[in-house]
Amino acid sequence: EAGVTQSPRYAVLQEGQAVSFWCDPISGHDTLYWYQQPRDQGPQLLVYFRDEAVIDNSQLPSDRFSAVRPKGTNSTLKIQSAKQGDTATYLCASSFSGIQNTLYFGAGTRLSVL
Amino acid sequence: QQQVRQSPQSLTVWEGETAILNCSYEDSTFNYFPWYQQFPGEGPALLISISSVSDKKEDGRFTIFFNKREKKLSLHITDSQPGDSATYFCAARGGSALGRLHFGAGTQLIVIP
Repeated sequence: EAGVTQSPRYAVLQEGQAVSFWCDPISGHDTLYWYQQPRDQGPQLLVYFRDEAVIDNSQLPSDRFSAVRPKGTNSTLKIQSAKQGDTATYLCASSFSGIQNTLYFGAGTRLSVL
Repeated sequence: QQQVRQSPQSLTVWEGETAILNCSYEDSTFNYFPWYQQFPGEGPALLISISSVSDKKEDGRFTIFFNKREKKLSLHITDSQPGDSATYFCAARGGSALGRLHFGAGTQLIVIP
């Protein structure tokens, strides 16, 4: 069974540029998460979906970040105008909804903003 | 406010020793505590988990000890192997099944052969 697939694996930007990250979750998983992981820190939730609906985007910097999951399968996270502070690895995870659901993570996209 | 705290930040043990990784949490409604293992260049992967109704969970060389009253838990890795060298994250979730999973900052474990 294929795992969570993310692309690209790496991105290098100048401040002010835009970038999009793409995630293909495990087939059948109804819940999809985007996490930001700064270097040497734990993952921090940005947004998560159940099917196509946003459940929690309270930690998403809404002025520059956006995320969609239009058909309840693949998802795209976009940064409109990147800042140096956005430098981090962006992780996508998926799971079934349930009391003790296991999150399965992709390998992440490593973003450097110069 | 950091909901989940881990210590130490870094831990070095010799092969064959027991590594003890500590975790504490703030929110008393948290009821599910997974530990994730992350190797460089990879995403975190579930290692072992415990619910708040248990005080111990064992899986091979990995054991979680849970103290609900003190809001603390620990991960014990017995007979540590060089392949166990990784970063370990304690996480916590409570309430709704769709509730967010809070991660600690991680403990980097190095096992010397």
